[in-house]
Amino acid sequence: KAGVTQTPRYLIKTRGQQVTLSCSPISGHRSVSWYQQTPGQGLQFLFEYFSETQRNKGNFPGRFSGRQFSNSRSEMNVSTLELGDSALYLCASGLGAGYNEQFFGPGTRLTVL
Amino acid sequence: DQQVKQNSPSLSVQEGRISILNCDYTNSMFDYFLWYKKYPAEGPTFLISISSIKDKNEDGRFTVFLNKSAKHLSLHIVPSQPGDSAVYFCAARGTGSARQLTFGSGTQLTVLP
Repeated sequence: KAGVTQTPRYLIKTRGQQVTLSCSPISGHRSVSWYQQTPGQGLQFLFEYFSETQRNKGNFPGRFSGRQFSNSRSEMNVSTLELGDSALYLCASGLGAGYNEQFFGPGTRLTVL
Repeated sequence: DQQVKQNSPSLSVQEGRISILNCDYTNSMFDYFLWYKKYPAEGPTFLISISSIKDKNEDGRFTVFLNKSAKHLSLHIVPSQPGDSAVYFCAARGTGSARQLTFGSGTQLTVLP
């Protein structure tokens, strides 16, 4: 069974631009969560989608948004990029809501110059 | 305000000895705790978990202990192997409308041969 895939793996943008990251969950998984990882900060929860609905949202500004499609694939978008948005963005999929066990993708490394 | 804290950013242990990774939390409403392992350039991998109604869970070389009164969680690895060298994150699941995972900042474990 294929794991969680994220595209692109690496991305370089400049301040003010916007970016879209993509996540394909494990086949059969309907829950997708997004996290931001920065050095020394661990993984910060961004949002969770289940059956195309946002179920939960972390404490991030409105520049961060996401969506989920009917095939459970998810995208997150960051508008008006800032230097502090440079991070590893991870998505995780699960069979359902509840977070008993999540399977993570390799992440997208975003660098904002 | 960090609700889940891993106060040791790094730990070095000799091969064959016990590794003990610690995690403290402040929110008494967390009902489920998990440990993830992360290698460079990969997403975190689920390792072991424990429900808040238990105080110990064992899986092979890995044992997680939960002390609810002290709001303390620990992961024991016995015996430690060089392949265990990775960053270890503890995570806690909230309840009700805050059912997302909250992660600690991670501990880099190095097992010396």
